[in-house]
This record gives sequence, C-alpha cells and structure tokens, in this order.
Amino acid sequence: AQSVAQPEDQVNVAEGNPLTVKCTYSVSGNPYLFWYVQYPNRGLQFLLKYITGDNLVKGSYGFEAEFNKSQTSFHLKKPSALVSDSALYFCAVEGGANNLFFGTGTRLTVIP
Amino acid sequence: DAMVIQNPRYQVTQFGKPVTLSCSQTLNHNVMYWYQQKSSQAPKLLFHYYDKDFNNEADTPDNFQSRRPNTSFCFLDIRSPGLGDAAMYLCATSSPGRGVSSYEQYFGPGTRLTVT
Repeated sequence: AQSVAQPEDQVNVAEGNPLTVKCTYSVSGNPYLFWYVQYPNRGLQFLLKYITGDNLVKGSYGFEAEFNKSQTSFHLKKPSALVSDSALYFCAVEGGANNLFFGTGTRLTVIP
Repeated sequence: DAMVIQNPRYQVTQFGKPVTLSCSQTLNHNVMYWYQQKSSQAPKLLFHYYDKDFNNEADTPDNFQSRRPNTSFCFLDIRSPGLGDAAMYLCATSSPGRGVSSYEQYFGPGTRLTVT
C-alpha cells in the first residue's frame, strides 16, 4: 500500500533561515509525490510534484523538493523562510486510481 | 480564473438534520473528490467520481452520500449528521492523463460544518 510519513508535527525556523519539512514514502512501483500547503480555514494549495525526471523539483513560492530514492524521501526545502510561509504542509503520494494519500501534516512556524 | 468553488463556506446544522454541501468547478476536470478533514489532520478521502462512475472508500460511512448531476457540480449529502461529523469538507478535482497537470488535485476553499 502507498503511504507517506511526516515525522515532525511542528517545525520552527527563524525568518531568513533555510527550512526543511521532511517526508518519507513507502510505495510499490514508481512514486508520484506531492507537496501541498494549507493556510488557516482554506483548502489545500498545490506546491510541487515529482513524477519522473530530475530529482530536484522546483515549485511555487520558492519551494523545492528533492526526491531521494535510496532514502525513500521527498523533503521540502526553501533557502530563506518568510513569515508568510507559516502554514500546514502536507506530503502526499498518488495511490492509484488518481487518489492521493496524505501524510499527517507538519505545521511550519517562521519566527520573525 | 478557472477554479473550484464550494458553497457555503460555513454551514451549521442540527444533530440528525440532513445537510447538503455543494462544489462546482470551471476546470472541466473529469474527476471530483470529497475529503473530510478534522482539526488540522490529514484530509481523508470519502469518495470520488471519475466522470459518472462513483467510487466509495471502503470506510466511508453510509451516512455520507454524493451526487454528480453533471461535469461541473458535485454534492455531498450527510443524511443524519452526528457530532462526530463536524469537520472541514474539501472538494477537489483532477484531470488524469491530460499532460503536465495530470495527477495534481485542485482544491476548493472548503466548507466548515458545525453540528449542534
């Protein structure tokens, strides 16, 4: 069965510092991996995805993620965090039949 | 702009009183999904339509039903809401197999349901 894990419920980072939000996956076959962000009382917004090709994927708002097959990871990164990046971040894997299986989410707080 | 719209944004219903949440899309996507999300937890897929084909998740309670009268609209019916059904309900769409946007899901803003 396809699944993702987000080992950190909460990540705090100072504004201007690099940020990393971790995600590991467990899939059979080639993984299709996604990151979504959710602001309070809003739906999820797509940030980026890995389907195939380059392991470093660039997405919206300066975010990027690195697909690492040997470590089965797909960590989300940003070189310089903004206060406005504070939100709930979900990693997801496509589980067949176009369904997404989401991780439990990581709350990112960027401290001014 | 093409988008996914959910109405209402906030819905209050009484225990046991049927309620319907609506979702519409201007993306012309053939797949529409309903998710339930509680207290900043991961969204939980309830069911989805692939065109007119309805796909129910095995653990979705019978209390939850859905209708999709056409490509643009999809409804979530909760026949007898319980206190445990209070949650954010998210609608999403996707267009599998249509190039670079395939596999992405586009979410509406959600409807927050309160059960009193």
